[in-house]
Formats: sequence, structure tokens, C-alpha cells
Amino acid sequence: GENVEQHPSTLSVQEGDSAVIKCTYSDSASNYFPWYKQELGKGPQLIIDIRSNVGEKKDQRIAVTLNKTAKHFSLHITETQPEDSAVYFCAASPPGTYKYIFGTGTRLKVLA
Amino acid sequence: SQTIHQWPATLVQPVGSPLSLECTVEGTSNPNLYWYRQAAGRGLQLLFYSVGIGQISSEVPQNLSASRPQDRQFILSSKKLLLSDSGFYLCAWSPVGPGDGYTFGSGTRLTVV
Repeated sequence: GENVEQHPSTLSVQEGDSAVIKCTYSDSASNYFPWYKQELGKGPQLIIDIRSNVGEKKDQRIAVTLNKTAKHFSLHITETQPEDSAVYFCAASPPGTYKYIFGTGTRLKVLA
Repeated sequence: SQTIHQWPATLVQPVGSPLSLECTVEGTSNPNLYWYRQAAGRGLQLLFYSVGIGQISSEVPQNLSASRPQDRQFILSSKKLLLSDSGFYLCAWSPVGPGDGYTFGSGTRLTVV
């Protein structure tokens, strides 16, 4: 079955710097890759997603890249702000299933 | 627009007591529904999912059960709680069809004492 690995587990950056979180997946047939942001005590919220027919997607300061050959995808946050501090989860969705396989999460701290 | 409601927000229960957490979705029909658990500082563990009324798939055998008595209602239950059942429980829904986006509820913080 699908397996998703996420690195790093914690990441501290200075405000204004960029942050990159990386995930790898094992099932080459997976075709949908969402990213979630979870603030303390709240449910995760979808912040960006990418499908397997696209290599990159951007939404303001957030971008996701996908390398199908290497089976990895990354979240890029530019010009980080204190409110970006949260736990971020990546996920992969194998075709024909109704569930996501989540990474173990990255705790991002943006230092003011 | 679609909304997901989950309650209660927090719950403190003694060991051996029953549990019932409820989740409802509005603004859509025949959603896929999910229960996840998140231990403190840990990742998301899928407990149950449902693709229709009365259809429940269990991912992890444990002290919990799930039911879907109505199209947009998903209930997580236990007859006797264990200390290890403590955690943050999240309900989620997605549109019909695999590989579509999840929307999570706000979660229930369960502490078993």
C-alpha cells in the first residue's frame, strides 16, 4: 500500500525567510496530493493541492511542486510570517481509494 | 456551501464509561465520511470511513466503533473507554468519488481519566 514520508519533523525559520517541507510517496499510481495546515487545537485545513498531471501550483506565498519520476512533492512558503507557524501535513491519494495516506507532519515555527 | 459540525469540542470521561461523538455535514449529499484520531504531537490515524449509509470500513481494530444512521451523520462510539483512547478526534468529509479533497471538522479533545 501507499506510504508517505515527510521531512523535516520540525522547522524553524526567521520571519521573511522561505520554508520548504518535503514528502515522498511509494505508490506511483497516486494522483492527488493535498497539503494541510493545522493550528493548535483546530482541525487541519487544506491550503493547497496538486494533481499528478501538473508539475507545480502556486497560490500567493505558497507553492507545491511534484516530481512524479522521483515520487516526491514539496511545499514552499515564501516570505514567512508568524501566522504561518503551525503543523503542516502532506498526503497522497492512491487511485480508486476513498482515503488519504498522511505524512507524519512538520511543526513550522516562524521566529519574529 | 458545505459545512461540517462536530461536537462536543472537549470531553473528559472516566475509564470504563461510554462514548458518543457526533459529526454532521450540511450542504451536500452522499458524502464520504471519515473519523481520524490524533495523539498529542502525532500524525493523523484513520479509524473509520464510510461511503454510504450503513457502510463502515474499519482501519484499525480497537475499542471503538462507528455508525452512519443517516446520509450526513457519522457517529463514533465506545462501550467502555480506555486511557489509551485519549486524543484529538477529527471528523472529515469528501465529495463522492475517490481522490477528492477532505474537509475536516474542528475536532473533539477527549481525555480519559
